[in-house]
Amino acid sequence: ETGVTQSPTHLIKTRGQQVTLRCSSQSGHNTVSWYQQALGQGPQFIFQYYREEENGRGNFPPRFSGLQFPNYSSELNVNALELDDSALYLCASSQGLAGAPDTQYFGPGTRLTVL
Amino acid sequence: SQQGEEDPQALSIQEGENATMNCSYKTSINNLQWYRQNSGRGLVHLILIRSNEREKHSGRLRVTLDTSKKSSSLLITASRAADTASYFCATESGAGSYQLTFGKGTKLSVIP
Repeated sequence: ETGVTQSPTHLIKTRGQQVTLRCSSQSGHNTVSWYQQALGQGPQFIFQYYREEENGRGNFPPRFSGLQFPNYSSELNVNALELDDSALYLCASSQGLAGAPDTQYFGPGTRLTVL
Repeated sequence: SQQGEEDPQALSIQEGENATMNCSYKTSINNLQWYRQNSGRGLVHLILIRSNEREKHSGRLRVTLDTSKKSSSLLITASRAADTASYFCATESGAGSYQLTFGKGTKLSVIP
């Protein structure tokens, strides 16, 4: 157990809908990263938040957006869902220490199915 | 896009044998990390090796890094059925954002 929690665990949506996924980071961590993992693939970096500001973004369209709150929990929002958005969405928290290698601690993920 | 490529894609061994997985990557890195994932759930961090390190040990795990060949290997000694999982290498190469770039993983099956 890493102390990182995600909700919900499973979600089914239809094409065109919007979805919000939530993540609570491990105590003492101020950085949250989101990853998308399609079936049979490795996770792909979506974006990262450090102290409530976006701190890096992967190759994902603007309909993928996020927030980080003062308690360092985070949300991932996806608008206009497409079938290819079906995946496991993973949240990872870390200490975000400047200049130090940053071990990321992953939550159990949210399995999103888009029909 | 995927930075790393693990080899083999799948590996099946008997309990007690050693398992070796390899990872190759394309760009220069700050560090390389190995993660384990059980049945499509969250990833568990196993070990981190910095770009200026060549070998690192943690329990039954041994990781090597060859930056000249842009490759790493993960050795699990005396494997157990509980080691059955997918193993991913991930590289961190940017300044500041600490984003990880993962390979596609090696699926390890340890037969009791």
